[in-house]
Amino acid sequence: DAKTTQPPSMDCAEGRAANLPCNHSTISGNEYVYWYRQIHSQGPQYIIHGLKNNETNEMASLIITEDRKSSTLILPHATLRDTAVYYCIVTSSSNTGKLIFGQGTTLQVKP
Amino acid sequence: DGGITQSPKYLFRKEGQNVTLSCEQNLNHDAMYWYRQDPGQGLRLIYYSQIVNDFQKGDIAEGYSVSREKKESFPLTVTSAQKNPTAFYLCASSWGTAETQYFGPGTRLLVL
Repeated sequence: DAKTTQPPSMDCAEGRAANLPCNHSTISGNEYVYWYRQIHSQGPQYIIHGLKNNETNEMASLIITEDRKSSTLILPHATLRDTAVYYCIVTSSSNTGKLIFGQGTTLQVKP
Repeated sequence: DGGITQSPKYLFRKEGQNVTLSCEQNLNHDAMYWYRQDPGQGLRLIYYSQIVNDFQKGDIAEGYSVSREKKESFPLTVTSAQKNPTAFYLCASSWGTAETQYFGPGTRLLVL
């Protein structure tokens, strides 16, 4: 599975869009980009995933660059409850199911 | 409500004692997983099961054991051979190993 690189921390003002970047320059053609978040002392929560097209759901949007070497998770209107550690994970459809969680990005939403 | 439940929320283990962490899902998922998380770290895979009566070791299986006798249940036993068991344990499930995993609330294990 490809390795991902994320900034260790970011701040965002409440009500503004939060844009969380992820670099995955070694991603291969059959690997998906997944985003999870983990609020302190809780289990990780699935947010969104994509292969090469941009994706949107009720929680967020995922923008994947055309060369697929990086992506951005967008929370359109961040709230205080979005404060969490956000993990970008690359995994293939043929893997054993192991998700490799790195250090993630700690997003602090401020009033 | 459909989901994954883990119990207990907190568990205390004495030296030399085996303890079992419960994980139950009512999502009708075939695959289930156990991860361990240490403070400030990401998750590491302990064991996973793709189907009933079958399971495989993950990256850090030593000192742990599992069973998968029912589709909805995947208990994890932390044995006395696990010398550093203090951690946050997370259970997950998915339709298959290539599908999205959904996580339970976790069990925090502490050693007395």
